[in-house]
Amino acid sequence: GDSVTQMEGPVTLSEEAFLTINCTYTATGYPSLFWYVQYPGEGLQLLLKATKADDKGSNKGFEATYRKETTSFHLEKGSVQVSDSAVYFCALTPGTGNQFYFGTGTSLTVIP
Amino acid sequence: EAGVAQSPRYKIIEKRQSVAFWCNPISGHATLYWYQQILGQGPKLLIQFQNNGVVDDSQLPKDRFSAERLKGVDSTLKIQPAKLEDSAVYLCASSLVGGGNTIYFGEGSWLTVV
Repeated sequence: GDSVTQMEGPVTLSEEAFLTINCTYTATGYPSLFWYVQYPGEGLQLLLKATKADDKGSNKGFEATYRKETTSFHLEKGSVQVSDSAVYFCALTPGTGNQFYFGTGTSLTVIP
Repeated sequence: EAGVAQSPRYKIIEKRQSVAFWCNPISGHATLYWYQQILGQGPKLLIQFQNNGVVDDSQLPKDRFSAERLKGVDSTLKIQPAKLEDSAVYLCASSLVGGGNTIYFGEGSWLTVV
C-alpha cells in the first residue's frame, strides 16, 4: 500500500546551518506530496506541497522537489533559525481519493 | 477564511470515564478526518468521513470509540470508557473532495487520562 518513510530524528543544528530531512515514498499512481510542520502545543500546518513530478514546493525558505525517479521528497533549508525548531512530517495523498499517509515525524532543534 | 475549529483544547479525565470532542471543518470541505497523535509519533487516522458517510474507520477501536457527522458538517468523536493509553492529541482535519487536495488541521484536543 501507499506509505511514507521519513528520516529518523531528532536532529539538532546550529543556527544558520543547512538542513536536509529525507523522505521517500511508496505509491501506486501519481500522488501529491506534502511537508507539514508542528510547533510545540499546536496542530499540523501545511509547509509546502508538490502535486506532480519535478515540481518544487517552497515556503518560508524551505524547499522540496518531487523526484519520481528516486521516489523522494526531501526537505531542505539553506540557513535554519531558532524559530524553525519543530516537528516536520512528510505526507502523501494518492492521485485519487482523499486518504492521507503521514511519516513518523522528524524533530528539529536549532540552537543559537 | 476560518480554519478548522476544535474543542475542548484540553481535557483531563479518569480512566473509565467518557469524553467527547467536537470539530467544525472549513466551510465547503466535504471530507473530515479524525486523527490520533500519541506523543512522539505521527498522526494515525481514526476515521474519515465524506459528507456524512464513513469512508474509512478501519483503525477506530469501535469497542470504545465512536464518531458521527450529522448533516455532513460538524463532527463529534467520543471515547467511552477511556483507557490510559488513549492519552493523546486528537486532531480534526478537513479537505475538499478529490485527489491531491491539501488537508487542513485544527489545533487539536489534548486528552490526558489518569
